[in-house]
Amino acid sequence: ELKVEQNPLFLSMQEGKNYTIYCNYSTTSDRLYWYRQDPGKSLESLFVLLSNGAVKQEGRLMASLDTKARLSTLHITAAVHDLSATYFCAVDMMKTSYDKVIFGPGTSLSVIP
Amino acid sequence: DADVTQTPRNRITKTGKRIMLECSQTKGHDRMYWYRQDPGLGLRLIYYSFDVKDINKGEISDGYSVSRQAQAKFSLSLESAIPNQTALYFCATSDRLTGGLSNEQFFGPGTRLTVL
Repeated sequence: ELKVEQNPLFLSMQEGKNYTIYCNYSTTSDRLYWYRQDPGKSLESLFVLLSNGAVKQEGRLMASLDTKARLSTLHITAAVHDLSATYFCAVDMMKTSYDKVIFGPGTSLSVIP
Repeated sequence: DADVTQTPRNRITKTGKRIMLECSQTKGHDRMYWYRQDPGLGLRLIYYSFDVKDINKGEISDGYSVSRQAQAKFSLSLESAIPNQTALYFCATSDRLTGGLSNEQFFGPGTRLTVL
């Protein structure tokens, strides 16, 4: 059974600092997604990573995927308050008989001025 | 804009009542999903459908049923609601045409359900 873990689960950081959120998963997959959720809102797609070594960047966020290590990272550069949200990774069970994604528990990020 | 909509947005009901949550999409996607979100547990898949004639159970289907009335509509029912079904429910869609490459999902705004 595929399990997806994220750490940390809660992160409080100062504006201007850098930090990395980690997403580990337990079985083979080379498709992974990152989503953002603002409080009380829906999930918004951030990054789609479709192969080993994939790297995507948008503004202060950069996501990467290492399928051999079964690890994805979401790196935050020079954090700003607007990045405060919960970030979910989701791993695609593409090699099973049915096609669905499993979500991690989420990392709640709070950026403090 | 092509979109995913859910009704109602908020619902309070009593134990034992039957509840239906509705999802509509104008994205033209074949695949639709129902998730529930509980604090600290991420999203858990309840049911999913790859087309009108295809319905599949997810991780936590007990106590729920679904109906895919059309490509654009996917409803979730709680036949006899219980308090531990209090949660935030999301509908999502993805595109079969890109499914071979990506299963990126697009989410509705959510329905907050409280069962007293």
